[in-house]
Amino acid sequence: DTAVSQTPKYLVTQMGNDKSIKCEQNLGHDTMYWYKQDSKKFLKIMFSYNNKELIINETVPNRFSPKSPDKAHLNLHINSLELGDSAVYFCASSQGGGTSYNEQFFGPGTRLTVL
Amino acid sequence: AQSVTQLDSQVPVFEEAPVELRCNYSSSVSVYLFWYVQYPNQGLQLLLKYLSGSTLVKGINGFEAEFNKSQTSFHLRKPSVHISDTAEYFCAVTLLYNFNKFYFGSGTKLNVKP
Repeated sequence: DTAVSQTPKYLVTQMGNDKSIKCEQNLGHDTMYWYKQDSKKFLKIMFSYNNKELIINETVPNRFSPKSPDKAHLNLHINSLELGDSAVYFCASSQGGGTSYNEQFFGPGTRLTVL
Repeated sequence: AQSVTQLDSQVPVFEEAPVELRCNYSSSVSVYLFWYVQYPNQGLQLLLKYLSGSTLVKGINGFEAEFNKSQTSFHLRKPSVHISDTAEYFCAVTLLYNFNKFYFGSGTKLNVKP
């Protein structure tokens, strides 16, 4: 059973399009995250949701909009895609987080290529 | 501001040789430290972590790391590597009492040769 799954695994699209990436976790966790890994392998947090509430929102363009319909899902919608959005996007989940440590479990990643 | 530096982008090593992957961090507050491994086409997997206690921490797959506060380092070591250890390794920190936010280094590609 896959703990944290993402769809699609690969996404190739044209500039200006709108696309979504879906993430689901079956670990019963209450906190989910989106990370972006650029071409130089830098991994940076974008968003975090706890119990469907946004708790981290880094300096990400407002073309990126996360949506959490329930605790097990955190989707990422991207409007008006740009070349610089090409990256690998990772979803992760943990139980809690915040002031006490709980391991983050990562999905396999979605490789987005904008042409 | 916090930052994590992994000076070596690639480390080639022969099978059964020892290896050290370097990690240095910068922070004005106390941090917790982590090493993650990323196998090809997979997500990140936790190797080990330092939260408190002994500065020498042991992780999975025979890896260990030592926290050195004076040198702000958290180098990863393995006495004898296998081909299967070929992967990308990431060092990361979180701030004291703020585990939601990880700061990652740029990664070190460990390439184990037969």
